[in-house]
Amino acid sequence: GQNIDQPTEMTATEGAIVQINCTYQTSGFNGLFWYQQHAGEAPTFLSYNVLDGLEEKGRFSSFLSRSKGYSYLLLKELQMKDSASYLCAVYDSNYQLIWGAGTKLIIKP
Amino acid sequence: GAVVSQHPSRVICKSGTSVKIECRSLDFQATTMFWYRQFPKQSLMLMATSNEGSKATYEQGVEKDKFLINHASLTLSTLTVTSAHPEDSSFYICSARDVASGGDTDTQYFGPGTRLTVL
Repeated sequence: GQNIDQPTEMTATEGAIVQINCTYQTSGFNGLFWYQQHAGEAPTFLSYNVLDGLEEKGRFSSFLSRSKGYSYLLLKELQMKDSASYLCAVYDSNYQLIWGAGTKLIIKP
Repeated sequence: GAVVSQHPSRVICKSGTSVKIECRSLDFQATTMFWYRQFPKQSLMLMATSNEGSKATYEQGVEKDKFLINHASLTLSTLTVTSAHPEDSSFYICSARDVASGGDTDTQYFGPGTRLTVL
């Protein structure tokens, strides 16, 4: 079956760095998304990785290793507004989205 | 974990026809389901919130007569794109909120999406 694993919840301190991991087993791979979702809002696109390596976009970076079926989202200089759920999703061979259950990130002062 | 399915996974239709997309929660009950459009490498755009047994709530700019939503049971919501046109071609994603999550209103489970191509 197809599966995506990510931690259910993480806690970090304002100003610090946090890494949210995502591992996947899917039938084929056509790219991996990271979304941020605040309570009561639609998911906001953060990144899309299709090739191995690190992509940096401001305070957020996303890494992909296709051979390991692994990705992480790195958030630097954490701010209180970064408290949200972070969703990992993979396009399988049919470009169907396989979703992780989301990681709830709690930022403490 | 909770599973949400969508059917069909992809559909190609002629301009002017109507297309129905189903969203089902397979192992939980969902009083609330959400319908989104996903544009390439962009955020999911919320189209409407579907509540079981009542009328859907549409987001500003979404035509309710064009995108008909029916939430007839706790496990099924349907989105019908009426008189589809090429500009309606998109990736439609549904999500469902688990009733059992109780006070945790943050938990949504997403479907795999339906790719609609209107010729």
